[in-house]
Amino acid sequence: SQQGEEDPQALSIQEGENATMNCSYKTSINNLQWYRQNSGRGLVHLILIRSNEREKHSGRLRVTLDTSKKSSSLLITASRAADTASYFCATDADNNNDMRFGAGTRLTVKP
Amino acid sequence: NAGVTQTPKFRVLKTGQSMTLLCAQDMNHEYMYWYRQDPGMGLRLIHYSVGEGTTAKGEVPDGYNVSRLKKQNFLLGLESAAPSQTSVYFCASSLAWQVDEQFFGPGTRLTVL
Repeated sequence: SQQGEEDPQALSIQEGENATMNCSYKTSINNLQWYRQNSGRGLVHLILIRSNEREKHSGRLRVTLDTSKKSSSLLITASRAADTASYFCATDADNNNDMRFGAGTRLTVKP
Repeated sequence: NAGVTQTPKFRVLKTGQSMTLLCAQDMNHEYMYWYRQDPGMGLRLIHYSVGEGTTAKGEVPDGYNVSRLKKQNFLLGLESAAPSQTSVYFCASSLAWQVDEQFFGPGTRLTVL
């Protein structure tokens, strides 16, 4: 069963705008990761945030984690057409021996 | 440094046929994984390996077998393919278990008729 669920399923914005995607999960975690997948390609790791962290930055990416609400958000600032991709969150639940991925958010950035 | 490679890239099978998907990594990673990706369902872990000679079941292992005879290779086998196994298969590897980023291959698109 899926652990993480992304919201929204699809998001369309103009270049230069910010994009926010959310991930909710069901059980306690050790860490949460965000990945990007361009069409027809493998996943690429973006950022990992541990359960004792609340916010992390990497370039134009900002990730927050609220363990009390069991949710995370990924913010992409000043989006570019090249950011068009699907974005997935993945969690390692305490009671699982594997990582669980959500179904993803499909982001389209229009030039 | 090729990272994670997968062969083949595409394959069409008839129901009941068998095949093996090959994954290779040149990063000296201990951990390797096989996932399948279906529309609207994200990635699901099939099997994984925590080191040469060891394998374990993931979330959806039925109908698949794996082997890790060499550290750099992780093979996924379908003994008797079924239409339900039509999917895109991704291999991944990581240096550490769970708490480290996973490096993914480009995927194999498998169609079972």
